[in-house]
Amino acid sequence: DVKVTQSSRYLVKRTGEKVFLECVQDMDHENMFWYRQDPGLGLRLIYFSYDVKMKEKGDIPEGYSVSREKKERFSLILESASTNQTSMYLCASSLGYGELFFGEGSRLTVL
Amino acid sequence: SQQGEEDPQALSIQEGENATMNCSYKTSINNLQWYRQNSGRGLVHLILIRSNEREKHSGRLRVTLDTSKKSSSLLITASRAADTASYFCATDHTGNQFYFGTGTSLTVIP
Repeated sequence: DVKVTQSSRYLVKRTGEKVFLECVQDMDHENMFWYRQDPGLGLRLIYFSYDVKMKEKGDIPEGYSVSREKKERFSLILESASTNQTSMYLCASSLGYGELFFGEGSRLTVL
Repeated sequence: SQQGEEDPQALSIQEGENATMNCSYKTSINNLQWYRQNSGRGLVHLILIRSNEREKHSGRLRVTLDTSKKSSSLLITASRAADTASYFCATDHTGNQFYFGTGTSLTVIP
């Protein structure tokens, strides 16, 4: 069964902390994505990657960076967390033009 | 932004009724997909329709696509309480980017 696993379902961090959100997929997909989801705003694309060590900015990359050292792993990094980054973060992967497979989400609260 | 828009934002129906939700987008697409999200969970893929298709069925789901109007609709027939969820359309414009709408929240009353 296909699987996208996000390392933490719930995190609470303090303003200014460095935050790592990890995502691993076991489907050998080339493409991986990070979205954030906020009420009334839907899902917004932060970054995506179509190959190892490749990354592309989405609609809202400011305040975030990503890392893809291995095909199966795509990490989202908040260098200095701020309260406006409190959100649900969703990782997904896909094989080219096909469907997206999502993880269960990581709900981050920044105090 | 290429983000799509779903309509209505919220929909409440009785069990057994049909539910219809719509999605509009702004620029040409390769395909359009519909996803479902239960509260607090990740999204689950329901159906994909390609730009050269007009209608697609999957079980109780029927999706239509009108590229001239840049719109799509999702019909859920004979709804069940378990269909209560948020539904999102996602548009693929470049082959490796997917843009989501803000979703329709469906409540099916038993």
